[in-house]
Amino acid sequence: QSVLTQPPSASGTPGQRVTMSCSGSNANIGTGLVNWYQQFPGTAPKLLIYANNQRPSGVPDRFSGSKSGTSASLAISGLQSEDEADYYCAAWDDTLNGVVFGGGTKLTVL
Amino acid sequence: EVQLVESGGGLVQPGGSLRLSCAASGFTFSRYEMNWVRQAPGKGLEWLSYISTNGNTIYYSDSVKGRFTIARDSARSSLYLQMNSLRAEDTAVYFCARNFYDSSGDAFDIWGQGTMVTVSS
Repeated sequence: QSVLTQPPSASGTPGQRVTMSCSGSNANIGTGLVNWYQQFPGTAPKLLIYANNQRPSGVPDRFSGSKSGTSASLAISGLQSEDEADYYCAAWDDTLNGVVFGGGTKLTVL
Repeated sequence: EVQLVESGGGLVQPGGSLRLSCAASGFTFSRYEMNWVRQAPGKGLEWLSYISTNGNTIYYSDSVKGRFTIARDSARSSLYLQMNSLRAEDTAVYFCARNFYDSSGDAFDIWGQGTMVTVSS
């Protein structure tokens, strides 16, 4: 059971906008910043969004993040087939004194 | 090229020990905090441990506290994870990850390719 809760799956068609959620508590998301990672099968995760809504250099602006209270969201607009991957949210947890991840959302592009 | 390369994984019996290494290149290793993260087969990511730039601040997840030890050697640009009393549930791909900071926040911006650890008799 992950400290941060993500839906196990999400789907969309090419060109569509999809969002995925990440729910936490006041010990983590509520008082801190959220990062999002993208992972393709058999590869290392890649930083997609940090500090709730910041994109590292090279990440397309189709990807955006937001946070409200103890929840965060990742949105992908103009969905492409190559966006099919697993997406993880993460945040620092003040109670556990460590980084906590969500269980991940598997995105399928139909 | 900025790169992290893990090594040291393999098959070990329950109760055994293993030492993982993470070699950094392409950046000034001593300036960055580092982490270990693992991923069990078919499962999600699990953060394990953090070490500050000078090694004076260390954190562990409850799942490995008392069994795993993180360390770094800036002269060798290397990060280590000493794993003792290994259990079947420690079977996973182990990643090292660099901590990136800017004025907005911090995150794991560079990851190694991972090294597989299998705990089985």
